[in-house]
Amino acid sequence: EAQVTQNPRYLITVTGKKLTVTCSQNMNHEYMSWYRQDPGLGLRQIYYSMNVEVTDKGDVPEGYKVSRKEKRNFPLILESPSPNQTSLYFCASRGSYTGELFFGEGSRLTVL
Amino acid sequence: KNQVEQSPQSLIILEGKNCTLQCNYTVSPFSNLRWYKQDTGRGPVSLTIMTFSENTKSNGRYTATLDADTKQSSLHITASQLSDSASYICVVSPNTNAGKSTFGDGTTLTVKP
Repeated sequence: EAQVTQNPRYLITVTGKKLTVTCSQNMNHEYMSWYRQDPGLGLRQIYYSMNVEVTDKGDVPEGYKVSRKEKRNFPLILESPSPNQTSLYFCASRGSYTGELFFGEGSRLTVL
Repeated sequence: KNQVEQSPQSLIILEGKNCTLQCNYTVSPFSNLRWYKQDTGRGPVSLTIMTFSENTKSNGRYTATLDADTKQSSLHITASQLSDSASYICVVSPNTNAGKSTFGDGTTLTVKP
């Protein structure tokens, strides 16, 4: 089954404690991206990657890092989380032919 | 600046009724427009895709229209069901293989019994 898998789905952490949210897709997609979604706001892009070792900033990259060492994986790294990074995070991959975005189930992060 | 604006922001209708959601965009160059459905707490799922040459496309009770001249799209839901309660997001892409997609803020639809 074609899918995008995120982990963890839920996480409560404290300010300053580094964390990583993993994302993996099994569709051999070149394009992957991370979004955050906050109440009253739409999906905002954090970072995206056009291919292995190619990443670029989205609209709200501050406080986040990413890496793309393998085609299937695109982890999101919060080096020093702060309360304003409390949000619902989505990873997505995009089909090259159809352009359809396939989203993961989301990771709800709370930073205390 | 590329923008996608959706209206209304929220909508409440009774089960069985029809409704229409609107999407206006200023994305250029334009490749395709998709409507996604997002259930509460879940990831968005694609409903329809419209390319430049298409005017109408249906997916069950969902019908999307596109007017590329006025840069407007609509999503019409027929005979609504309680399971249609969700956020509907309009996404416009400049190119299927490259470039960033531009997201609307979504319309939250609530269907009441």
